[in-house]
Amino acid sequence: QVTLRESGPALVKPTQTLTLTCTFSGFSLSTSGMCVSWIRQPPGKALEWLARIDWDDDKYYSTSLKTRLTISKDTSKNQVVLTMTNMDPVDTATYYCARNRYYYDSSGYFVVSAFDIWGQGTMVTVSS
Amino acid sequence: EIVLTQSPGTLSLSPGERATLSCRASQSVSSSYLAWYQQKPGQAPRLLIYGASSRATGIPDRFSGSGSGTDFTLTISRLEPEDFAVYYCQQYGSSTLFGPGTKVDIK
Repeated sequence: QVTLRESGPALVKPTQTLTLTCTFSGFSLSTSGMCVSWIRQPPGKALEWLARIDWDDDKYYSTSLKTRLTISKDTSKNQVVLTMTNMDPVDTATYYCARNRYYYDSSGYFVVSAFDIWGQGTMVTVSS
Repeated sequence: EIVLTQSPGTLSLSPGERATLSCRASQSVSSSYLAWYQQKPGQAPRLLIYGASSRATGIPDRFSGSGSGTDFTLTISRLEPEDFAVYYCQQYGSSTLFGPGTKVDIK
């Protein structure tokens, strides 16, 4: 059974750096094709994708937040860590991690999947 | 940069009715990379449809997806009480983008 669980501080102050950890089980990020992403959702608003890390350590970031984000993995601990610098009250949101993976489609192309498994999310409030 | 627009913003229907949700992209999106999610209050999103028309594991066949290019549709053939929720479309790949969502509520 694949599960993901987010952890991190519930409250951070403006200008601080947020560090979130996604701990997962049921798959390994050392397995070819596996990926983990971070997505956030401000209260009452839509989902926003933040970053993704692949099994081969390739990393992808949201264009609008790229300068503030760093994603990394610890394969031995089955963890993915996201750091976001210079936090602001507008960054108040529920932060989710989710799995996706590459697979061979019917044409033989190695393509990435949608997010098939999500964590329950962790709420982060930015306030002084 | 691609922008996804979903309509309507809110859809008020009764159980048993058919729901048709639209997702429009500002430029062409590969059908291989268009997904739909359902989200209920206090819960994480759940994958319903990927590749524009393939149902995810365990998703009932009353949910169907269609479309190509810039216009995609999620159809719920007969609404069950548990289907009242917010639905998001998503374009995924090397970057990922979600639409603003459509809320399906009880009329």
